[in-house]
Amino acid sequence: GNSVTQMEGPVTLSEEAFLTINCTYTATGYPSLFWYVQYPGEGLQLLLKATKADDKGSNKGFEATYRKETTSFHLEKGSVQVSDSAVYFCALSTNTGNQFYFGTGTSLTVIP
Amino acid sequence: DAGVIQSPRHEVTEMGQEVTLRCKPISGHDYLFWYRQTMMRGLELLIYFNNNVPIDDSGMPEDRFSAKMPNASFSTLKIQPSEPRDSAVYFCASSLGPGAQYFGPGTRLLVL
Repeated sequence: GNSVTQMEGPVTLSEEAFLTINCTYTATGYPSLFWYVQYPGEGLQLLLKATKADDKGSNKGFEATYRKETTSFHLEKGSVQVSDSAVYFCALSTNTGNQFYFGTGTSLTVIP
Repeated sequence: DAGVIQSPRHEVTEMGQEVTLRCKPISGHDYLFWYRQTMMRGLELLIYFNNNVPIDDSGMPEDRFSAKMPNASFSTLKIQPSEPRDSAVYFCASSLGPGAQYFGPGTRLLVL
């Protein structure tokens, strides 16, 4: 079946530290992959996406590369800011039947 | 683009009362999703529609929950009668085909 597994949090980093949040997936066929961010009291916002193998999604300094060989889509940012404190969700979408699967979310806190 | 619109943003009601949550998807999107988010259970898909037709309602917890989509620009999620364990944040999301979902700001429901 299809599923998404992401690293458990919470993650606490100092400002300007390097961020990696791991995400691996299991899917039949060739899914699209997404990262969403949820700030406190808000809905989920699409952060970035990749639709095929070796694609790199990027936005606001965040990057993730669709790695088919390792079935991974790890989220990275070179220098985090306090404003990046939020919960991050990895997700996949199957291209048939529009099944959407979310990971459990990873809470990130960035301290000054 | 106004994004996905949900109303009300907050709802406080007493056990046994009927609750109706409303959603206006992004214009032109053909998929609409209802989710529930709690600390204990995370993000749960309740039901989704394609071209106004319910496709999968297996996530609807009980017969007390019902959802309708009378037209492409409006959907409701109704809980009747409401119970304290229904307290959660309810999100509506929409997408164009099997792609990225765009979330509304959510309705925070508290059932006393």
